[in-house]
Amino acid sequence: GAVVSQHPSWVICKSGTSVKIECRSLDFQATTMFWYRQFPKQSLMLMATSNEGSKATYEQGVEKDKFLINHASLTLSTLTVTSAHPEDSSFYICSAMGDLPADEQFFGPGTRLTVL
Amino acid sequence: GENVEQHPSTLSVQEGDSAVIKCTYSDSASNYFPWYKQELGKRPQLIIDIRSNVGEKKDQRIAVTLNKTAKHFSLHITETQPEDSAVYFCAASGTGKSTFGDGTTLTVKP
Repeated sequence: GAVVSQHPSWVICKSGTSVKIECRSLDFQATTMFWYRQFPKQSLMLMATSNEGSKATYEQGVEKDKFLINHASLTLSTLTVTSAHPEDSSFYICSAMGDLPADEQFFGPGTRLTVL
Repeated sequence: GENVEQHPSTLSVQEGDSAVIKCTYSDSASNYFPWYKQELGKRPQLIIDIRSNVGEKKDQRIAVTLNKTAKHFSLHITETQPEDSAVYFCAASGTGKSTFGDGTTLTVKP
C-alpha cells in the first residue's frame, strides 16, 4: 500500500520559534497533500490543501502567514509553524492523495508539537 | 460546504456483539465515503470505504451501507473484539476534499 512519512514525530520548542514539519509520499506521486490539526479527543480539522507547484488553499480561520505550506515536489510537502505559541500545541497530521485510487487519502503518522 | 454528523459519540458493547455507527452528510456532490480507525496517538487507518455507485460493501466483520437519497451511511462491525476498541471516523469526500465526522469512541468489553 501507499506509504506516507512525516518528520519529526514529535517536537518541543520555545514560544516564538518556528517549526518545520515534513510530509513525504514514499512510493507514489502525491498530486495533492492535506494538512490537518487534531486536538485531544477531537476530529481532524483540515487546515489547508496543497497541490504540487501551486499555492496552498487554506480553510477559513487558518492563518496562512502563520502556517506556511510548501509543496515543492510530487513527494514532499512542508508545514512551517511560524512564531509558535503554546496554543499552537497540537497533533498535526498530513495526508497525501495520488491519481488512483480516486479520492483515497493516505495519512502520515502525525507530529506532536508542544510549544513551551 | 459539506457537513458530516456522526452518531453516537461513544459506544460500549460486549465482546461478540455488533456495533453500528451512523453518519449523515449534506452535500449531494460527495461521492466517496471512507471509514477510519484511529488508535490513541496514531494515524487514522482506512478500514473500509464505499463509493456512491454502490449501496453496500463488506469486508469480513466490517460492512458499510450507503443511502444516497437520504444522505446517510453506516458502519457495521460484527463479532466485536477488544482490539476493535478505538475511535472511528467517517468522512464524506467530493472534488478531492474530505470532511470528517466528530468520531465515535468504541469500547469493546471482554
